[in-house]
Amino acid sequence: GENVEQHPSTLSVQEGDSAVIKCTYSDSASNYFPWYKQELGKGPQLIIDIRSNVGEKKDQRIAVTLNKTAKHFSLHITETQPEDSAVYFCAPYSSASKIIFGSGTRLSIRP
Amino acid sequence: DAMVIQNPRYQVTQFGKPVTLSCSQTLNHNVMYWYQQKSSQAPKLLFHYYDKDFNNEADTPDNFQSRRPNTSFCFLDIRSPGLGDAAMYLCATSGPGGGTNQPQHFGDGTRLSIL
Repeated sequence: GENVEQHPSTLSVQEGDSAVIKCTYSDSASNYFPWYKQELGKGPQLIIDIRSNVGEKKDQRIAVTLNKTAKHFSLHITETQPEDSAVYFCAPYSSASKIIFGSGTRLSIRP
Repeated sequence: DAMVIQNPRYQVTQFGKPVTLSCSQTLNHNVMYWYQQKSSQAPKLLFHYYDKDFNNEADTPDNFQSRRPNTSFCFLDIRSPGLGDAAMYLCATSGPGGGTNQPQHFGDGTRLSIL
């Protein structure tokens, strides 16, 4: 079945620095690649997504890059701020319509 | 604002006593999902509705059932909750058109405790 791996599981960066989280998937037919942010006590919220016909997408301080050949996509957050502290999940969508979330990355921003 | 609303936010029930969690949406999305999320883990899909078509995940326990009486509402019924069912339960929607290549919109969840 589909296998999704997300790294790292925890990440601590100095405020103002960049953070990168990587998600690797196994289903070569996956065609939609979202990233969700989950704050304490809340549901996940979509922060950025990319489709398989695009290699990179940027929205202000957040970007996602996709490497379909290597089957991985990454979340990039630049100029990190305290409000970026949260758990981030990737959730690549497979052709079998099975939705699997990555194991999550707890991002902490140090002041 | 259009949104996904889950009630109640916190639910306490006794071991073995049936409990129902509810979800409503104003997005008019045709797909609704139920997830279970345990502490420090990823959300795990239990089942989803594509319109009225119910799709159960293979490893979802029989103890969990769902109803969707109309587009706006969806319910999660736990027939005989065990201690292992204590978790956050998340409802999500996607659409229009649904499908697995659409973003999901999540509610803020119901935290279920079992005494």
